Amino acid sequence: GNSVTQMEGPVTLSEEAFLTINCTYTATGYPSLFWYVQYPGEGLQLLLKATKADDKGSNKGFEATYRKETTSFHLEKGSVQVSDSAVYFCALSDQSGNTPLVFGKGTRLSVIA
Amino acid sequence: DVKVTQSSRYLVKRTGEKVFLECVQDMDHENMFWYRQDPGLGLRLIYFSYDVKMKEKGDIPEGYSVSREKKERFSLILESASTNQTSMYLCASSTSRVREQFFGPGTRLTVL
Repeated sequence: GNSVTQMEGPVTLSEEAFLTINCTYTATGYPSLFWYVQYPGEGLQLLLKATKADDKGSNKGFEATYRKETTSFHLEKGSVQVSDSAVYFCALSDQSGNTPLVFGKGTRLSVIA
Repeated sequence: DVKVTQSSRYLVKRTGEKVFLECVQDMDHENMFWYRQDPGLGLRLIYFSYDVKMKEKGDIPEGYSVSREKKERFSLILESASTNQTSMYLCASSTSRVREQFFGPGTRLTVL
């Protein structure tokens, strides 16, 4: 079945450091890929998405590129801020619109000033 | 903007009580989902629903049931709450056309 594997945290970075959170997936066909963010005490919010190979999703300085050849969707940001401290989830959706998203286990990011 | 609301942010119940968690979405979404979130385990799907009066088991349905009498409302029921059901519960909704899910703020349930 479909699955998502993302790097385990926690990840601790200094402000302005470069961030990479790795995400790889297993799926048949052409899934859509998502990154969600969960700030402390809140639900999940969609951060960015990509629906086909080589698409790049971007939002709030974060980027991720859908790489079918390596089945990856790594999240990157060039310069993190304290306000980026949160839990980040990678997820995929298969081609059926009704199927629930498959989530990775989440990566906790802490950014220190 | 899509809005998904959950009836309580924090809830404290006693072992053996019947507990209702309510979720309402305002964007006419067909699909609704209930997850629980625990440290180190990520999100785990409890139940989901594609349409009114329809339900499907997720990965961990034991000890839970659901009800969807109206399209906008999806209820999670703990028939007899136990301490191992202490968790954060998240509701989400989506359409079949747009695959992303929209989440509510969550209910942190403590069972004593």
